[in-house]
Amino acid sequence: DQQVKQNSPSLSVQEGRISILNCDYTNSMFDYFLWYKKYPAEGPTFLISISSIKDKNEDGRFTVFLNKSAKHLSLHIVPSQPGDSAVYFCAARFVFGPGTRLSVLP
Amino acid sequence: EPEVTQTPSHQVTQMGQEVILRCVPISNHLYFYWYRQILGQKVEFLVSFYNNEISEKSEIFDDQFSVERPDGSNFTLKIRSTKLEDSAMYFCASGTVSAYNEQFFGPGTRLTVL
Repeated sequence: DQQVKQNSPSLSVQEGRISILNCDYTNSMFDYFLWYKKYPAEGPTFLISISSIKDKNEDGRFTVFLNKSAKHLSLHIVPSQPGDSAVYFCAARFVFGPGTRLSVLP
Repeated sequence: EPEVTQTPSHQVTQMGQEVILRCVPISNHLYFYWYRQILGQKVEFLVSFYNNEISEKSEIFDDQFSVERPDGSNFTLKIRSTKLEDSAMYFCASGTVSAYNEQFFGPGTRLTVL
């Protein structure tokens, strides 16, 4: 039972372009969503979050959008940098999505 | 910058043995968690701990698992009788705001059960 889904296992973008990572959820009780970034051999690192009372939250190059009616959120990274290459997890409560591996090509 | 630490970084054990994984959360945090990630799979929640008791646990966290905060700084996960399928990365996390808000993760302990 996948309550949090990230349907793209991987994504490649050119440096300087926008990266868009998508996440869908099924549980309408979820009211707070988080994005974590994970490098190999490290634990996940918190990136940005959004409460269900908002539809957008921005922090520097990172913006998260929430569409409650569609139960969909997305993380935008602009401009993308090679150091952004990592696995990105969408999470709600204690449920993590399977992750999307982002590769930013120089 | 304060960080969550975990020891050991790698633990190898024989099937059926007990293991204790140790974590030192960030000092002013009140919420503590254990997660695991089996190789190639997603991060799975095991347990959350607040006010010296378990607040939530997943189906994975069965009677073989226990957690303890023995001395006000360490937070431990014990697996009583390890199975091959317990081989995974185990991440400790801590947080300050509430159970569902941002968590700060340690680097993980790789557990290998032979």
